[in-house]
Amino acid sequence: GAVVSQHPSRVICKSGTSVKIECRSLDFQATTMFWYRQFPKQSLMLMATSNEGSKATYEQGVEKDKFLINHASLTLSTLTVTSAHPEDSSFYICSASKAVGEQFFGPGTRLTVL
Amino acid sequence: EDQVTQSPEALRLQEGESSSLNCSYTVSGLRGLFWYRQDPGKGPEFLFTLYSAGEEKEKERLKATLTKKESFLHITAPKPEDSATYLCAVQAEETSGSRLTFGEGTQLTVNP
Repeated sequence: GAVVSQHPSRVICKSGTSVKIECRSLDFQATTMFWYRQFPKQSLMLMATSNEGSKATYEQGVEKDKFLINHASLTLSTLTVTSAHPEDSSFYICSASKAVGEQFFGPGTRLTVL
Repeated sequence: EDQVTQSPEALRLQEGESSSLNCSYTVSGLRGLFWYRQDPGKGPEFLFTLYSAGEEKEKERLKATLTKKESFLHITAPKPEDSATYLCAVQAEETSGSRLTFGEGTQLTVNP
């Protein structure tokens, strides 16, 4: 139980285009979903927290208009990187939680912006 | 502000050489402490949750323990497949939902 999927696993795009990443909890309903960014050899950096049907809460320094988060249902959240630039290239990971307690992580999405 | 410090940053062991990873934390009321394993290019995999001082949990060659200030992840007779980055995270009682504060991780390499 507690399986989280992400799609796509890897994406390469041109500078200026937008990219959408999906995060799904496959076998449970997620009260909250989180989006992280991870740079090489570093730990996870929380970008935003989203609850189904509510606006996402962004961490300080994360641009809301650049990283659009939609949490349409208890099993699906999407992260859209708008007008992507090379500096947005990174490993993006989502997680989902049932309530208070453990977060279960997706496999991650490697974004490369050319 | 909640803080998590993991040590060492990197650890190299020979197969069968037992050791421990440390996670020191500062939090205003601990709701839970979590251990995850992360392989390169993958998302973290949940290992354990510890809720109160004195609690211990085991899974195969791993055992996690908790005190009021730190947690240890003991690895007994490790194998090369145990090589990964181990992440520690805390959740404060005052936190709404299940937000976690992560440490920087310990990169473990087990040589055959």
